[in-house]
Order: sequence, then C-alpha cells, then structure tokens
Amino acid sequence: EVQLVQSGAEVKKPGESLKISCKGSGYSFTSYWIGWVRQMPGKGLEWMGIIYPGDSDTRYSPSFQGQVTISADKSISTAYLQWSSLKASDTAMYYCVRRSIGGYDTSYYFDYWGQGTLVTVSS
Amino acid sequence: SYELTQPLSVSVALGQTARITCGGNNIGSKNVHWYQQKPGQAPVLVIYRDSNRPSGIPERFSGSNSGNTATLTISRAQAGDEADYYCQVWDSSSYVFGTGTKVTVL
Repeated sequence: EVQLVQSGAEVKKPGESLKISCKGSGYSFTSYWIGWVRQMPGKGLEWMGIIYPGDSDTRYSPSFQGQVTISADKSISTAYLQWSSLKASDTAMYYCVRRSIGGYDTSYYFDYWGQGTLVTVSS
Repeated sequence: SYELTQPLSVSVALGQTARITCGGNNIGSKNVHWYQQKPGQAPVLVIYRDSNRPSGIPERFSGSNSGNTATLTISRAQAGDEADYYCQVWDSSSYVFGTGTKVTVL
C-alpha cells in the first residue's frame, strides 16, 4: 500500500527555521517525483515545488522560489520542506504529494497525498 | 501565468446531478485532473486525464474537457459527496490548481 506519512504539527515564532518531512512507503521512492502543496486557512491549493529523489532534481513554483527549500534523502525514503526564517504568512497546512508516472508533462497528476502538516507561525 | 476559474459554490439536490466547471484558455488542449477535499481531510484524486477514474472512485464521477471549459459531473449525488473540488493542469512547467468549488448536497 502506497503511503506518504508527514511529520506532526508545528508551532513556531517568526524568524525561526523549520524543516518538515514526508516519508514514502509501499513503492519505489526514487522512481516518483514528490511535490509540496500549500493550503492557507480557508483557501485553495497552491503548488510549491517538486523533487525527484532519484537524483534530487528540484523545480520550484515561481511564487515559492527562494522562499523555501525542498530536499530528499533517498536512503530513508523521505522528502523535506524547509524554511530558514518563518513569517506569519507561512501559517498553513502543507501536503506532500506523489506525482504520477508515464505519459508527458501535461498528463501528470498527484495520485497520492500525505495527511498534511499544519504549520502555525505566531509571536 | 495560467489561470483556472471555478464557481465558488454549486448546490445539488440529493440524487440529482451536479456539474462543476473549470475554465481556462484553451483548456481543451490540456489534461485536466480533479481532486475532492472533504472537511479536515487531505485531497483525493477523483478524475485524471480529463475523464479517467482511479480505482475506488464511483462511476457516478465523470469528467469531460473541450474548448475553454472542463467539467466534473457527479451523478446521483449523495450526502457524502459534499466537499470542495479542485481542478488542476500543468502549464509552463508549473502545476496549476483551480480556485475550488464547494459542493452542497441539499
């Protein structure tokens, strides 16, 4: 069974750093791209970026480039999303997602989602 | 950047048909995927590549895509279909989500 299990909720202060995780199981972790999706309170879904754990090739949404860092450790089948200096506006639920394989760019979709990690940034 | 527009809300009577639209420039030339998000839960894929259902998704869910509009259709709507629905495409190296539609079953 494919599973993406994310780390638990976090409460941080502005200016602090944070790294959240997403552990994949039940499939070949290095063969699928893993992405991150933000959902601010009461709002819609926003794609942040994506990484290929096989070689750590990483792409970012222009909206999030330079704001976060995506990484992966294939030895433990885990992807990460990190911030060096959090802002109150980073308060949101963050989902990791597995991208489908086979086909071409416009045909890719997110077939599995993690349970989400709630990040709260408040002074 | 590419934009996907969805109605804010759609209401449907129990047992009737709901249609959720997703508008975008020449969206018919792209593959459209749909996700269902129930309150407090992570989204779930319900339609991929315009009209394909993942295993476990009821046949009541169907999709179409042509011109400037893609449509998710929920037939014989049930109370359990109440959720937010999002369309998604890939454009210019980015994955774009629609604005989301809240479906209410009356």
